[in-house]
Amino acid sequence: AQRVTQPEKLLSVFKGAPVELKCNYSYSGSPELFWYVQYSRQRLQLLLRHISRESIKGFTADLNKGETSFHLKKPFAQEEDSAMYYCALTGGGNKLTFGTGTQLKVEL
Amino acid sequence: DADVTQTPRNRITKTGKRIMLECSQTKGHDRMYWYRQDPGLGLRLIYYSFDVKDINKGEISDGYSVSRQAQAKFSLSLESAIPNQTALYFCATSDPGEETQYFGPGTRLLVL
Repeated sequence: AQRVTQPEKLLSVFKGAPVELKCNYSYSGSPELFWYVQYSRQRLQLLLRHISRESIKGFTADLNKGETSFHLKKPFAQEEDSAMYYCALTGGGNKLTFGTGTQLKVEL
Repeated sequence: DADVTQTPRNRITKTGKRIMLECSQTKGHDRMYWYRQDPGLGLRLIYYSFDVKDINKGEISDGYSVSRQAQAKFSLSLESAIPNQTALYFCATSDPGEETQYFGPGTRLLVL
């Protein structure tokens, strides 16, 4: 069975501080990992996927197969980063398993 | 992304009523999904369909049914609504071979 764990329900940081949203997964094969973001009153949208190795809005995430982690990082938080972030996993076949989400609050 | 739309956006109903939530997409994707979102539980998959003739149960299908009327339309029905089905419901689409899913704006359902 596949599982995604996001241990923090809420993460509060000050503007300009580094951000790390944690994500750990359980999957026996080779997963594909994603971060989705939901800004206030907006629909869920893809932020980044590990296979693309991109930096989106200053965020990066590296898949660590040894630690089964896919933590989301940004060196300097901005106020507009405040949102709900979901880590998700698929083992293929388009079925996504989501974590429970982390609410990021960036304070001034 | 206005390519995936959901109706209604908000709905209040009473226990025992049958209701239908509708999802339409103009992305031309074969695959469609229904999720519910609950605080502290994240998104959970209710049903999914990989083409018009394909319907599959997800993680939490009890109390729900779906209909894939066309490639572009995927409806979710609550046969007899109960209060613990109060949630935010999302439809999503994807293309075979591309794992990214595209979400609708959500339907907020309150069952009294």
